[in-house]
Parts: sequence; structure tokens; C-alpha cells
Amino acid sequence: KQEVTQIPAALSVPEGENLVLNCSFTDSAIYNLQWFRQDPGKGLTSLLLIQSSQREQTSGRLNASLDKSSGRSTLYIAASQPGDSATYLCAVIISVGGLVANDYKLSFGAGTTVTVRA
Amino acid sequence: KAGVTQTPRYLIKTRGQQVTLSCSPISGHRSVSWYQQTPGQGLQFLFEYFSETQRNKGNFPGRFSGRQFSNSRSEMNVSTLELGDSALYLCASSLEKAREGSPLHFGNGTRLTVT
Repeated sequence: KQEVTQIPAALSVPEGENLVLNCSFTDSAIYNLQWFRQDPGKGLTSLLLIQSSQREQTSGRLNASLDKSSGRSTLYIAASQPGDSATYLCAVIISVGGLVANDYKLSFGAGTTVTVRA
Repeated sequence: KAGVTQTPRYLIKTRGQQVTLSCSPISGHRSVSWYQQTPGQGLQFLFEYFSETQRNKGNFPGRFSGRQFSNSRSEMNVSTLELGDSALYLCASSLEKAREGSPLHFGNGTRLTVT
């Protein structure tokens, strides 16, 4: 059973500090991994998607790395701002073999809640 | 371009009733997937539809069902509601199936409360 773990569950940093968020998964047969942010009472906003063949993706102050062999992905947010305060979730899509339909599973981590203090 | 639209935003139902939630994907997106989010279980995958066919299903009872129309709009139905079905139900759309690596775009969800 695919387990996706995000540690820490919560993080509080002063403005300007770099953020490092971790996502661990137990099955290396992944199709892709995606990072999201969620603001209270809202849906998820896609931040970065990393295909299984890639090692990292970058967008502005965000950088996500993927190490399939160790089952880890890390999201780096440079020079954090109060507007970065949110819950960050990772989602992993893995292959489970078998028929074309139902041949993958999608699992989310529980998220890391980030507070950036002004 | 308009985002993913979910209606209604809030719903209150009583045990035993059934409910239908609606999701309109981003124009051009062919895949729609549904998720249940609760404080205890987190975000869990319900099912994914692509070209009007269910392509994948999570571990939920048969009371949870869905469908997708030819315009890619999707509905989710929950029958015989239980208290434990109270949750935020999220819908996401993407250009291709989730495993193909298209980013998921989420709506703001429908908050369902079962009393």
C-alpha cells in the first residue's frame, strides 16, 4: 500500500527564511509527483509537477526535487513571505500494473502547514 | 480562462438522503477526478473520469458514484448518506488522465454536512 508522509506537520518561520518541505513515499514505481498549496476553506492550487523521468522542477522561488530511489521529494521555497502561509501537500501517482484502466493509484500526503511570520 | 467550478458551495443533508454534486472543468480539459477531504483521513481519491468513462476508482463503497457528460462536466452522487460522509468534496480537472502527467486544477469544493 502506497504511503505518502509529509514531515513536519507544521512549520513556523520568520519572513525571508528559506522553507524546506519533505514528502516521502514507499513505492518507487511512480508516474509523477505533484506539489500543491491549499488555503483555508479553498481547493488546491498546483505548484509544480515532476514526471518520473525528471529530477527537479523550478518555478520562480519554488524548486522541487525528486529522488525515486530513496522515495523522497523536497519542495524548496526561497525567501519566504507571509503570503506563502498555507498548507502544502504532495500527491503521488504510482503504477499498480494490470489492465489499462485502474492501473494507477493516487495518494496524498497529510500536508505541512506553514506559517511565515512578518 | 475560467477555473474549475463546483456547485453548490455548501450542502446540509440528513442521514439516509442522497446528494448530487456538480463539477464543470476548465474548458478543453477531458479528465475530471473527485476527492473527499476530512480532518481525520485527509485527502482521498474517489474516482476519475475521462471521455465519459470511469478510468480509476479509489476505495470507497458503492454508495459513491459519478458520471461524466459529453461536455466533460461531471456529477458525483452519494446515496444513503451517513454522518461520516460529512466532508469537503473536491473536484479537479486536467488535460489528460492523471497518470499522463497533466497538472490537476482544483475547484473550491462543496462542503457537505450530514446531520
